[in-house]
Amino acid sequence: GAVVSQHPSRVICKSGTSVKIECRSLDFQATTMFWYRQFPKQSLMLMATSNEGSKATYEQGVEKDKFLINHASLTLSTLTVTSAHPEDSSFYICSAFSGRRTDTQYFGPGTRLTVL
Amino acid sequence: GEDVEQSLFLSVREGDSSVINCTYTDSSSTYLYWYKQEPGAGLQLLTYIFSNMDMKQDQRLTVLLNKKDKHLSLRIADTQTGDSAIYFCAEKSAGNMLTFGGGTRLMVKP
Repeated sequence: GAVVSQHPSRVICKSGTSVKIECRSLDFQATTMFWYRQFPKQSLMLMATSNEGSKATYEQGVEKDKFLINHASLTLSTLTVTSAHPEDSSFYICSAFSGRRTDTQYFGPGTRLTVL
Repeated sequence: GEDVEQSLFLSVREGDSSVINCTYTDSSSTYLYWYKQEPGAGLQLLTYIFSNMDMKQDQRLTVLLNKKDKHLSLRIADTQTGDSAIYFCAEKSAGNMLTFGGGTRLMVKP
């Protein structure tokens, strides 16, 4: 099946710093990517929908100035957590939707962010 | 809005069958999915079913869909210890977004 990678897999940073997470589709072009966050023992919560070449669509309650999304190419979307605080510590997962297939989203392995 | 619900926990013995249930509310769902998540990892797509299907079988996995009752189930035959994980059902709604259930933690006892 299709492969989606994320980098880094794990990051620890100090409060107030910014962290960039990359999501790449390795063997297909992803016209749409989704960013989720998952708190321990909870389900995935959609943060935003990233469309190549246009602005991301954020879910209600997600601060777009805090979680910057850039989908500059058909194989790369980035999520930047700006001025991170301990409450931003979470597991961030991206998924990619291939325009050729209408039935499946492929998920990345996730990035665990810990803000001290 | 859409709502997807699952039971939190299921425990079975190795070799038995596991049945994980899911209910959803969006009658316009086109696809319904089952994902597996192991500790510290992302989601692995196990199987999916189109909304006009009643049943789909893929090796040890059987998905049953009761569209009238908006009920989806995943049956794992001959459950193994490696099947221990969290299982999420999800429905695909407008805009290709997925709405996830809360996840069912499956524990397989040897």
